[in-house]
Amino acid sequence: QVQLVQSGAEVKKSGASVKVSCKASGYSFTGYYMHWVRQAPGQGLEWMGRINPNSGGTNYAQKFQGRVTMTRDTSITTAYMELSRLRSDDTAVYYCARGVVVEVVADPNWFDPWGQGTLVTVSS
Amino acid sequence: SYELTQPPSVSVSPGQTASIPCSGDKLGDKYASWYQQKPGQSPVLVIYQDTKRPSEIPERFSGSNSGNTATLTISGTQAMDEADYYCQAWDSNTASVVFGGGTKLTVL
Repeated sequence: QVQLVQSGAEVKKSGASVKVSCKASGYSFTGYYMHWVRQAPGQGLEWMGRINPNSGGTNYAQKFQGRVTMTRDTSITTAYMELSRLRSDDTAVYYCARGVVVEVVADPNWFDPWGQGTLVTVSS
Repeated sequence: SYELTQPPSVSVSPGQTASIPCSGDKLGDKYASWYQQKPGQSPVLVIYQDTKRPSEIPERFSGSNSGNTATLTISGTQAMDEADYYCQAWDSNTASVVFGGGTKLTVL
């Protein structure tokens, strides 16, 4: 079955970087976009960006431009999200989520399935 | 930037129909998706492309999208449907995904 398994919880200091991994299985990794979404404690969902695992091309939300980098390693069907210059308000659960096939550049878009989430705690 | 607006909360009695609206400028010209999230769990897709339902999602979940409003409807609501629900769309102007703020559905 389609499955996304993320790396474990992280505790980081302000100003540091964090890199979260997302291991995909059960489908053609290069055939579907991979998205990253975060959720601060008690808050809603916030889209961070996506990567085309086939080409490596990325789209980032404007809010995270310059601070986020999404990469992938097709040999081990794993996607990565690195966030730099961490602040306390970056404390959140970070999810990877499979998007639609890479041939669809814009609409429609949906996410299924989602990873189990990775809690990143930023302390000062 | 494009925004999607949802009511913070909706209440429904067991067995009744719950409707959760999601509004955005000309949202009917885009595709809307909906996600269910229970406490401590990852979101789950319940509706995509406005009206389609993944095979594992019960038939009581349905969706519509017209004008400026997309709506998630849960018929014969059960206690297990109590959760947060998020709508989502694609903003072609910024090439980005947008989520609504979420609606807490209470079944009482």
